[in-house]
Parts: sequence; structure tokens; C-alpha cells
Amino acid sequence: RKEVEQDPGPFNVPEGATVAFNCTYSNSASQSFFWYRQDCRKEPKLLMSVYSSGNEDGRFTAQLNRASQYISLLIRDSKLSDSATYLCVARHYAGGTSYGKLTFGQGTILTVHP
Amino acid sequence: GAVVSQHPSRVICKSGTSVKIECRSLDFQATTMFWYRQFPKKSLMLMATSNEGSKATYEQGVEKDKFLINHASLTLSTLTVTSAHPEDSSFYICSARITSSGGGGTQYFGPGTRLTVL
Repeated sequence: RKEVEQDPGPFNVPEGATVAFNCTYSNSASQSFFWYRQDCRKEPKLLMSVYSSGNEDGRFTAQLNRASQYISLLIRDSKLSDSATYLCVARHYAGGTSYGKLTFGQGTILTVHP
Repeated sequence: GAVVSQHPSRVICKSGTSVKIECRSLDFQATTMFWYRQFPKKSLMLMATSNEGSKATYEQGVEKDKFLINHASLTLSTLTVTSAHPEDSSFYICSARITSSGGGGTQYFGPGTRLTVL
């Protein structure tokens, strides 16, 4: 079983649509969670961190449920520029180190069309 | 945000040659840098963690003698793919961590290096 699992999609939605991505993680030691966005042939870029209380950044809302080890991302009023691959990421701390190791999901492809 | 650069951005080489990829943190010092590899339509996989002034820590299944990592300064880490083969063709991405109080810290990714081995 993969440590971080996502529905790979692809999701094809019209502009203005609301779309939701789901993600589950298996390592209960994971402490921090993120959504990254990756454009074709580019590096991933941090979209937002995910907190248990839920957090919102403009049209983007992220939610974490630690009990069910589930993470979500909601995008409202989709724009053409939202087309990208969205990566669910979990961080856990390897024993004896002060840094966290990121584990990436396989990504969910989103295409927003006119 | 912080800037991480990689060089070269793209390299095409013959099988059997060695390729060196540089990763630099341009406006901050990075005690820890990470090297990832991404195959087409796959996710990023951590290859190794590079610590300034000490040996890198490799993930299971990654050959340390094939993927040589050097982190000689707080702003530079290098990955050398030795005796490259076509199956090494991939997108190699580094990231550098800015330390924050309490550990953790944000990782910033370089733009990646696309390696094609003929």
C-alpha cells in the first residue's frame, strides 16, 4: 500500500466549477500535511498547508481528518490557470533527525476547460 | 519565497557517462537538501537527504555508489549520476530546507533537471 494515495483522475471540469480532491495516508506518524501544485515539466510548488481545523486560502480550502487519515482539497470557481497536477504530501520525522521527510502522493490531474 | 536553482536544466548524455547536477540555495543557507527523482506520470520519490559536512542518507533501494551526493557548503549540493544508463533517465529535483524554530521548516524546490541517457 502506498504511503500517500490519491485518485489520479484526470478531472476535467468547466470554468467556474467546484472540484474536490481526496487523499489518504497510511503512516500514522505523519505530522504535517500539504498540498502542492505541479505544472507540466516543472517543479512542485507549495499551494497550502493543511490543518485539522481546516484552512482556506481564497478559492482553496483544505481539510485534515487525523482519525481517518484523510486529507482533502476543495477548489471553488475553477479557473483555466488551475489546470495542473495536485500533489498530496505528508511529512514525518525520521528517527534522530530534526528535519521532516516528505512523502508525495502520485498526484491528481486537473484540467479546467472553457 | 526562497529561491533554489539547479544546473543544468536539461542534459542528454550517452550511456556510461557521468552527469553532475548542481543545486544551490540562492538567498538562504540550507543545512539540509533533498534529492528527488520523478519518472513520467509518477510522483516524486525521495532518493537521499544531503547534510552539509556529512555523508548523505540514502533511501532504501537507492545505490549510494551510483548516485554520489556532495554537500560541501551551506548553499550547494551536487548529485552525480555515475555510469548513467537509459533507465536513469528521469526528472531530478532538489529541494532545500529553511530551518524554522521547532524543527520542520519549509522546503523549496529547484526547477529540476531533465536527464536523458541515450
